[in-house]
Amino acid sequence: SAVISQKPSRDICQRGTSLTIQCQVDSQVTMMFWYRQQPGQSLTLIATANQGSEATYESGFVIDKFPISRPNLTFSTLTVSNMSPEDSSIYLCSVGLGASGELFFGEGSRLTVL
Amino acid sequence: SQQGEEDPQALSIQEGENATMNCSYKTSINNLQWYRQNSGRGLVHLILIRSNEREKHSGRLRVTLDTSKKSSSLLITASRAADTASYFCATGLQGGSEKLVFGKGTKLTVNP
Repeated sequence: SAVISQKPSRDICQRGTSLTIQCQVDSQVTMMFWYRQQPGQSLTLIATANQGSEATYESGFVIDKFPISRPNLTFSTLTVSNMSPEDSSIYLCSVGLGASGELFFGEGSRLTVL
Repeated sequence: SQQGEEDPQALSIQEGENATMNCSYKTSINNLQWYRQNSGRGLVHLILIRSNEREKHSGRLRVTLDTSKKSSSLLITASRAADTASYFCATGLQGGSEKLVFGKGTKLTVNP
């Protein structure tokens, strides 16, 4: 299994500002995934972050809005840029350990944009 | 785009009853997984069933998979109030990627 720590756990942000969410894993992993969960909705994949290469974004998500860093095999950040109230969501970091196929999730970062 | 569609969207039962949730998906899959989420927190993996499997058990959980109908069901037997949560199916697509596509979820309430 993997233990994933996300910071901040929650924040209230002003429109137009940016916030960076950190994700720390207790073991080395190849791929890390960032998901968004809008209020009352399911999870939508934002991007896949591989160490040493640019993140791969899903349709509807762009690097300018959600820049991602992956400096090593245990850490990643997601920045939500120029926030608007529509960005109010829970952002979840997750990792897979390869063979099993299951994903492990952090507790999420709940952002509220005023 | 969402791959899985769960039904019902919400389910309310009494403690001791069984809860059945269904999931349908659209494309070919490598595996199908069920996750649980308590009140907007992180997700916890419950069970994984591979595309060549038809049924799997884990404790009070029973999962079935029908690839011809592109559907799965999760049965929780003898439910408890602590089972109250949202349940999501997620599909691992063919091609070997670890990324999952999540369904819309079923919000289960188990009344004591």
